[in-house]
Amino acid sequence: QKEVEQNSGPLSVPEGAIASLNCTYSDRGSQSFFWYRQYSGKSPELIMSIYSNGDKEDGRFTAQLNKASQYVSLLIRDSQPSDSATYLCAVTSGGGADGLTFGKGTHLIIQP
Amino acid sequence: EPEVTQTPSHQVTQMGQEVILRCVPISNHLYFYWYRQILGQKVEFLVSFYNNEISEKSEIFDDQFSVERPDGSNFTLKIRSTKLEDSAMYFCASSGTGEHQPQHFGDGTRLSIL
Repeated sequence: QKEVEQNSGPLSVPEGAIASLNCTYSDRGSQSFFWYRQYSGKSPELIMSIYSNGDKEDGRFTAQLNKASQYVSLLIRDSQPSDSATYLCAVTSGGGADGLTFGKGTHLIIQP
Repeated sequence: EPEVTQTPSHQVTQMGQEVILRCVPISNHLYFYWYRQILGQKVEFLVSFYNNEISEKSEIFDDQFSVERPDGSNFTLKIRSTKLEDSAMYFCASSGTGEHQPQHFGDGTRLSIL
């Protein structure tokens, strides 16, 4: 059974600070890793993807991957109130037809 | 920017009836997926579809469910003999070819079984 674990939160961060979100996964065969943002009642929106060990930066977002530790993280710099949402970690083995395995998500609250 | 579109946005159905949820994937994408999210729970994979056939399905996707690509643009999920526990958000997603392609989600259909 493939599992993706996330701390459900809520994680409360002051505006302008760095928010750090973490995720662990059970399947060592996982090859592709994604962070989605989901506002209440809305669909998952792709934020970041990462496939290789190390860091990947895109604007205010940095994804970090450590396959040996089976650990993925997302850093959000200069957090804004609009970043308040649930952040979903999703993994797949990398094949085109493979479904994503999602974590339950971390509820992030940015305090103005 | 191209997007996945789903209709209807909300479907209310009596228990035991059949429902069809519709999706138009992004036009140059070849992989299609259905997911569901029961209120307060995580997003769960149902099925993936490629080259006009099912590629992978989860334990949830039993004989009650079926998928079809009836034409060149639509992708449908049919749920037969609906049950109360089928009430959920159903998301369609699509992705391009090649390794590590991300899946892009539609806005979802909220299915309510009475």
